[in-house]
Amino acid sequence: ETGVTQTPRHLVMGMTNKKSLKCEQHLGHNAMYWYKQSAKKPLELMFVYSLEERVENNSVPSRFSPECPNSSHLFLHLHTLQPEDSALYLCASSQVPGTSTDTQYFGPGTRLTVL
Amino acid sequence: AQKVTQAQTEISVVEKEDVTLDCVYETRDTTYYLFWYKQPPSGELVFLIRRNSFDEQNEISGRYSWNFQKSTSSFNFTITASQVVDSAVYFCALSEVSSGSARQLTFGSGTQLTVLP
Repeated sequence: ETGVTQTPRHLVMGMTNKKSLKCEQHLGHNAMYWYKQSAKKPLELMFVYSLEERVENNSVPSRFSPECPNSSHLFLHLHTLQPEDSALYLCASSQVPGTSTDTQYFGPGTRLTVL
Repeated sequence: AQKVTQAQTEISVVEKEDVTLDCVYETRDTTYYLFWYKQPPSGELVFLIRRNSFDEQNEISGRYSWNFQKSTSSFNFTITASQVVDSAVYFCALSEVSSGSARQLTFGSGTQLTVLP
């Protein structure tokens, strides 16, 4: 595998389900990101993990919970979602933000539908 | 606050035409980076180019070229002799150096380019 991979590619879940999205990067990067892409809206940064630091967008509801066990893996745990959470969830990775080589590379995304 | 505007929501061209996608940005920083990404129907955002604010030299890569003008805060993208495979959503993005260790990308709303055969 090369680049950034995401699983599953498609997910349909009910509002009472619990599921997790997985992201893995094979680029030797040390920062990882979750973005949400809804129809008709700009890409929205949800969470950033950079080395030991986690930064989150304060507008992200608590029903989204990220986990980054190491620099290569990133999860997004989902519980009691709402239909408006249906979107494409994109993972990205980069070198440490703030460096001249911190271009973000994206995975193919998980298309989430909440019924 | 940083902002990126892509005023063209949708553009349609016929194959082999040239097309320019506009991007205008706002920032208070003197040091920043600008990016273009391509998002084909498969969904993955594909990195195309990164420029820093001190390098206003235009760049050409095959059929792609970029025109960076600080005086007008614009970073426009031109595809020469467009092809059907160029059909995608194109995003312009901005990253400010001063936003700290968790430097964020601010994306424009994207331009949907459709190239007709």
